[in-house]
Amino acid sequence: SQQGEEDPQALSIQEGENATMNCSYKTSINNLQWYRQNSGRGLVHLILIRSNEREKHSGRLRVTLDTSKKSSSLLITASRAADTASYFCATVRGSTGGTSYGKLTFGQGTILTVHP
Amino acid sequence: NAGVTQTPKFQVLKTGQSMTLQCAQDMNHNSMYWYRQDPGMGLRLIYYSASEGTTDKGEVPNGYNVSRLNKREFSLRLESAAPSQTSVYFCASSEARPGPYEQYFGPGTRLTVT
Repeated sequence: SQQGEEDPQALSIQEGENATMNCSYKTSINNLQWYRQNSGRGLVHLILIRSNEREKHSGRLRVTLDTSKKSSSLLITASRAADTASYFCATVRGSTGGTSYGKLTFGQGTILTVHP
Repeated sequence: NAGVTQTPKFQVLKTGQSMTLQCAQDMNHNSMYWYRQDPGMGLRLIYYSASEGTTDKGEVPNGYNVSRLNKREFSLRLESAAPSQTSVYFCASSEARPGPYEQYFGPGTRLTVT
């Protein structure tokens, strides 16, 4: 079963607006990652936040992590039409005796559409 | 660098046929992964290889086998394809421990089983 659930399932905004996507997960984690997938393509890594971090920035991306609530959010500021894609959160589980080998568990994704 | 490459890009099989999906990476990564993605869903892990010479089952391994041929290549085999295996298959690679395990993905193979 999938670790993460994302909210909303779909988001439609105008260029220049901010987009916020949320992710919840069930087990303790080592880190949480966000990926983007353009239609028909492979996934591209956007940003990673470790379990001991609360907020991280990369360009127009801001990620927050609340381990007490087992949730994360991805904020894309000043969105562009080129940001139109599906966005997935993925978690690496916390310590499992060293056997996780970085296995990612994905959420179902948020489809973001940015209208010019 | 090509990153992660996958062949073929598209494939149509009849039920019961077999095929092998090929994956190669040129980033000298130790770990490699095979995922499937069904419509409207995230990716589910089929098999992974933590390092050359080792493979382990993921979340949905039934109906698949894998081979870690060398450090660069990791193949996925369907011995007797079923319509339920119609999906898009992605290969990925990453550094091994100590992490933090960012994964690099190939472009995918779109498989249809009729």
